[in-house]
Amino acid sequence: TQLLEQSPQFLSIQEGENLTVYCNSSSVFSSLQWYRQEPGEGPVLLVTVVTGGEVKKLKRLTFQFGDARKDSSLHITAAQPGDTGLYLCAGAQGGADGLTFGKGTHLIIQP
Amino acid sequence: KAGVTQTPRYLIKTRGQQVTLSCSPISGHRSVSWYQQTPGQGLQFLFEYFSETQRNKGNFPGRFSGRQFSNSRSEMNVSTLELGDSALYLCASSLAASAYYEQYFGPGTRLTVT
Repeated sequence: TQLLEQSPQFLSIQEGENLTVYCNSSSVFSSLQWYRQEPGEGPVLLVTVVTGGEVKKLKRLTFQFGDARKDSSLHITAAQPGDTGLYLCAGAQGGADGLTFGKGTHLIIQP
Repeated sequence: KAGVTQTPRYLIKTRGQQVTLSCSPISGHRSVSWYQQTPGQGLQFLFEYFSETQRNKGNFPGRFSGRQFSNSRSEMNVSTLELGDSALYLCASSLAASAYYEQYFGPGTRLTVT
């Protein structure tokens, strides 16, 4: 069972466009993390959101945690080729369980 | 501060063999988690170690095992390798329990089973 569904799976857009990536679940998470992974490397943590309705900004990236803490979105403004990569969301449910990852969104920004 | 290191970076093994992968966490981090990443299944949790004890385990067969040493370094072992074990194996370290602390990933070990 895939607890975290990410959409779209693949996205290819032109430099300068805006985009939104979604991470949805029927489960409640105590926190949700977003990672970016480049080929041949491990995921790099971008942000952690913990409060329902929370919005965090990281330069041109805006992250939002749903009010019910079941979903999250990542919005990129004026995308640049350097934003290309695999974006992963991961949820923590507390207790003794590890992180649950979505399958990711492969993003390509064409110059 | 040095990041998470994993050795080796690449490995080719034959079906039926066994393999041991190593992970050195960030200095001061006591929790190490292991993940398997494949194109079809994405990132799947294998197990987490904290203070030399396995805290939790994902849904993988008993061929997958691990351990953690007193210096927090961790090893992962896969016995009787199968073709489907070909994957990128990632370890991540955190200050304490991964459910509450941010994880930092190493570059991974690319395992190919032929």
